[in-house]
Amino acid sequence: DTAVSQTPKYLVTQMGNDKSIKCEQNLGHDTMYWYKQDSKKFLKIMFSYNNKELIINETVPNRFSPKSPDKAHLNLHINSLELGDSAVYFCASSSGTENSPLHFGNGTRLTVT
Amino acid sequence: QKEVEQNSGPLSVPEGAIASLNCTYSDRGSQSFFWYRQYSGKSPELIMSIYSNGDKEDGRFTAQLNKASQYVSLLIRDSQPSDSATYLCAVHGSSNTGKLIFGQGTTLQVKP
Repeated sequence: DTAVSQTPKYLVTQMGNDKSIKCEQNLGHDTMYWYKQDSKKFLKIMFSYNNKELIINETVPNRFSPKSPDKAHLNLHINSLELGDSAVYFCASSSGTENSPLHFGNGTRLTVT
Repeated sequence: QKEVEQNSGPLSVPEGAIASLNCTYSDRGSQSFFWYRQYSGKSPELIMSIYSNGDKEDGRFTAQLNKASQYVSLLIRDSQPSDSATYLCAVHGSSNTGKLIFGQGTTLQVKP
């Protein structure tokens, strides 16, 4: 199936740990994104990559490090997890043109205890 | 002022009624606008896009755009209980980075 897929779907971990979320898209898109959705459902962009190049880096703590090995993959590594990192993280992709919508993955619900 | 603003609701309408969802945005240079639907525990799903002033209809959904007023809306005709969800307004910023800015969403409840 053509889609944006991310793993894992759920991630429960303790404060101070390091974790990664993986994302892959087979839509042939050039641009990929990480969004964070907090408990109030507000979706906020974190990063965007276009063809492996970082183009958007919003004000995100440097404990968060995205990596794009190729244009179909965008992973998110988080160091020293904090309680406030608990949220749902969505990967998305688009063709990158101004009028193009985003296609979202199913999300990763991260719970930090 | 938030970049994209929506009334968080909940907006409650009876089955069969018209639901009207509203959104305002601050970046006057924005050119493309989207409505996403998000069911609880699911990912946002694109339901409408609009780029020009006026109305765009797709089935029971009509998107309306007024760039002069920096206003975009979504009408859902013949609302069904299955339409109960959070509706997210999203706007491309004028910086041409592909960044999509979301409003906080309006929760719609359609009561049978």
